Amino acid sequence: QQQVKQSPQSLIVQKGGIPIINCAYENTAFDYFPWYQQFPGKGPALLIAIRPDVSEKKEGRFTISFNKSAKQFSLHIMDSQPGDSATYFCASGDSSYKLIFGSGTRLLVRP
Amino acid sequence: DAMVIQNPRYQVTQFGKPVTLSCSQTLNHNVMYWYQQKSSQAPKLLFHYYDKDFNNEADTPDNFQSRRPNTSFCFLDIRSPGLGDAAMYLCATARRAVNQPQHFGDGTRLSIL
Repeated sequence: QQQVKQSPQSLIVQKGGIPIINCAYENTAFDYFPWYQQFPGKGPALLIAIRPDVSEKKEGRFTISFNKSAKQFSLHIMDSQPGDSATYFCASGDSSYKLIFGSGTRLLVRP
Repeated sequence: DAMVIQNPRYQVTQFGKPVTLSCSQTLNHNVMYWYQQKSSQAPKLLFHYYDKDFNNEADTPDNFQSRRPNTSFCFLDIRSPGLGDAAMYLCATARRAVNQPQHFGDGTRLSIL
């Protein structure tokens, strides 16, 4: 019940494409859903986060879509750039101050 | 203007030789976390502190210990490192309130000879 399932494991798109990464959770106590971006040799950095009272959140080229009834959320990257090539982790959190991370998606944006 | 600083960035130790990794923060956050991350995997929580209250994950190996002498500093001690402990170790901090983002350092890459 604590798992967060993330797909796909890897993704290749052309510059300007819209990669979509999906996550699904089981625990209905989760009420915080952040996405982290990690470059090689660096720690994860918070990209964008959503709470279950909204169905969509946009920050720049990054959008989270959230479906509470399906217990799923996804990250869309508009107009993707080679600099977006990184590993992306979804996560879910509750009142315990801990995050449960998905398994990660390695994104490659080709020039 | 790094806010969560981990030292050293790279650490090499011998099999069974104790090693200490350090983390400092300038954010004055109450909560500090230690994660282990192996190649191409998600960060795995080892333990975390709410202020000085220590919380160990059930599956954290016994040879992993931690100290937090004050708000700003936290240490990860590996008493007898095995080859399987080679990994990136990440420190993170957060404010003690619900739904707060975790701020990560850039990690220490630990190699075991």
